[in-house]
Amino acid sequence: GQQLNQSPQSMFIQEGEDVSMNCTSSSIFNTWLWYKQDPGEGPVLLIALYKAGELTSNGRLTAQFGITRKDSFLNISASIPSDVGIYFCAGQDGSEKLVFGKGTKLTVNP
Amino acid sequence: EAEVAQSPRYKITEKSQAVAFWCDPISGHATLYWYRQILGQGPELLVQFQDESVVDDSQLPKDRFSAERLKGVDSTLKIQPAELGDSAMYLCASSHLVYGANVLTFGAGSRLTVL
Repeated sequence: GQQLNQSPQSMFIQEGEDVSMNCTSSSIFNTWLWYKQDPGEGPVLLIALYKAGELTSNGRLTAQFGITRKDSFLNISASIPSDVGIYFCAGQDGSEKLVFGKGTKLTVNP
Repeated sequence: EAEVAQSPRYKITEKSQAVAFWCDPISGHATLYWYRQILGQGPELLVQFQDESVVDDSQLPKDRFSAERLKGVDSTLKIQPAELGDSAMYLCASSHLVYGANVLTFGAGSRLTVL
């Protein structure tokens, strides 16, 4: 089946630093979604990407849909303590099935 | 802001018991999903509904899991009998179409612990 490789698995950064994480796949996707999950809660949608090459921002977050349609990255600028959580990428192919990565756990030290 | 409602938030049960989770999607969302998330992993699809019809239940362990969405609105996921390995977060989501893509909104989840 389809698999998403999400990296890094975890990150420990200082408040104010920028963060970058990415997802790669052996399959082509039509849509990339990035979610954030706080402990004990459901994932919350951060950014949705619908077209290869698309670059989209949401406040301090920026995500890009790779040209090959097999990858995507998420950047967080000037991190703050509330950015702590697990970030998931999810790819959707022509079947509309959504496949999730295993997540990047972000820790921000004040 | 519209939300996906799930209950209960937490459930502790003993193995071999029956357990049920309920989900009420965002009003007007025809597509509803149940995902299972094991600690440290990403969510994995159990079942997808389009209105009251099952679209995909290929990953649902049908010997013990069942799901229904009788009137095409709210949904119930049942496990009987529960096993130790069923301990996980059960997430419900509903979706709307944006540029032809299903954009999922998740509920807060139901955390199941099987003892």
